[in-house]
Amino acid sequence: KAGVTQTPRYLIKTRGQQVTLSCSPISGHRSVSWYQQTPGQGLQFLFEYFSETQRNKGNFPGRFSGRQFSNSRSEMNVSTLELGDSALYLCASSSAGTGVVGELFFGEGSRLTVL
Amino acid sequence: AQSVTQLDSHVSVSEGTPVLLRCNYSSSYSPSLFWYVQHPNKGLQLLLKYTSAATLVKGINGFEAEFKKSETSFHLTKPSAHMSDAAEYFCVVTQGGSSYKLIFGSGTRLLVRP
Repeated sequence: KAGVTQTPRYLIKTRGQQVTLSCSPISGHRSVSWYQQTPGQGLQFLFEYFSETQRNKGNFPGRFSGRQFSNSRSEMNVSTLELGDSALYLCASSSAGTGVVGELFFGEGSRLTVL
Repeated sequence: AQSVTQLDSHVSVSEGTPVLLRCNYSSSYSPSLFWYVQHPNKGLQLLLKYTSAATLVKGINGFEAEFKKSETSFHLTKPSAHMSDAAEYFCVVTQGGSSYKLIFGSGTRLLVRP
């Protein structure tokens, strides 16, 4: 069974640009979560999608957005990039349904550098 | 509100000696607790989880953790460290029910000396 796949793995952008990151969950998993990892702030929850609906959202500005498609693949977008957005963005998928806390399977991340 | 505190940012052990990574949590509800491991340039992998069943939880690669409600602790242990255990370890808490928001500790970097 293929794991969680994130693309691209590495990317470099400049301030003011926007970026879209993609995540393909494990087949059959309907929940996809996104996390930002930085040396200073550690791992922080961005948002979680289940069956194309955003169920939970972390404390990030509106420049951070996401969506989920009918095949459970998810994308996150960051607009008007700032230097502080440089981070490893991790996607995780889960087979758990509503009301169940399940194991998260993480991808290897997309490392974004903003210059 | 839920929170988790990892008491050591770095732990160094010799290969073959025991490992102890400490974690304290705060939760208004019956918590679900996890330990995840992250090797360099890799994603996170679940080591073990506690979800209100047995208080002593066994995970992969010989790791185990004990949930102690009276001490609000969930320390991770392993009897004998291996070089491949060198990584960063995260203690994680989440609220049961419909919340999937994982709250991560700041991480403990484990160094294993030969």
